[in-house]
Amino acid sequence: GQNIDQPTEMTATEGAIVQINCTYQTSGFNGLFWYQQHAGEAPTFLSYNVLDGLEEKGRFSSFLSRSKGYSYLLLKELQMKDSASYLCAVSHSGAGSYQLTFGKGTKLSVIP
Amino acid sequence: DVKVTQSSRYLVKRTGEKVFLECVQDMDHENMFWYRQDPGLGLRLIYFSYDVKMKEKGDIPEGYSVSREKKERFSLILESASTNQTSMYLCASSLGWGNQPQHFGDGTRLSIL
Repeated sequence: GQNIDQPTEMTATEGAIVQINCTYQTSGFNGLFWYQQHAGEAPTFLSYNVLDGLEEKGRFSSFLSRSKGYSYLLLKELQMKDSASYLCAVSHSGAGSYQLTFGKGTKLSVIP
Repeated sequence: DVKVTQSSRYLVKRTGEKVFLECVQDMDHENMFWYRQDPGLGLRLIYFSYDVKMKEKGDIPEGYSVSREKKERFSLILESASTNQTSMYLCASSLGWGNQPQHFGDGTRLSIL
């Protein structure tokens, strides 16, 4: 089976930097996704990592270490609109297709 | 932009009813997915489909079935609704496998009374 862990809640200050960690155990690993979900809305895609290292996309960066089963999402210059849940999801293969297994999400609160 | 449309935003049904949740995507995606999202449990995969008339069980298929007669439409069916199926249901689609992200609809909040 798949096991994904991420913190339940985090709080950070506007303008600061926050790192949201995700650890996973899986078989047939095929990459890791991060999604953002505002309350009452659909999840939206943020990033995808399949190779070790850091992927930067504006204020958001995502890191992956396959050997450690570890990823993080880094948010810089936090804004109030970044208050949302952040979902870590592992893509894994089985029976000729791929599935996403999601972590339970990290609810980030950005305070003034 | 990809558009995934779910037929209802809110739905209230009674125990024992047969319930249909509809999902349509407009980007010719091969893969479509149904999830439910519950507080403290996150998103869990119910069923998915990688082609017309094909379906695969996800992690929690019990009490559900699906139908995919056309590429753009994927239906979730609750054969005999029960109160423990009260949840937020999310449909998603993706172009392919690997690095292709899933695009989600706005969700249907289903209450079973």
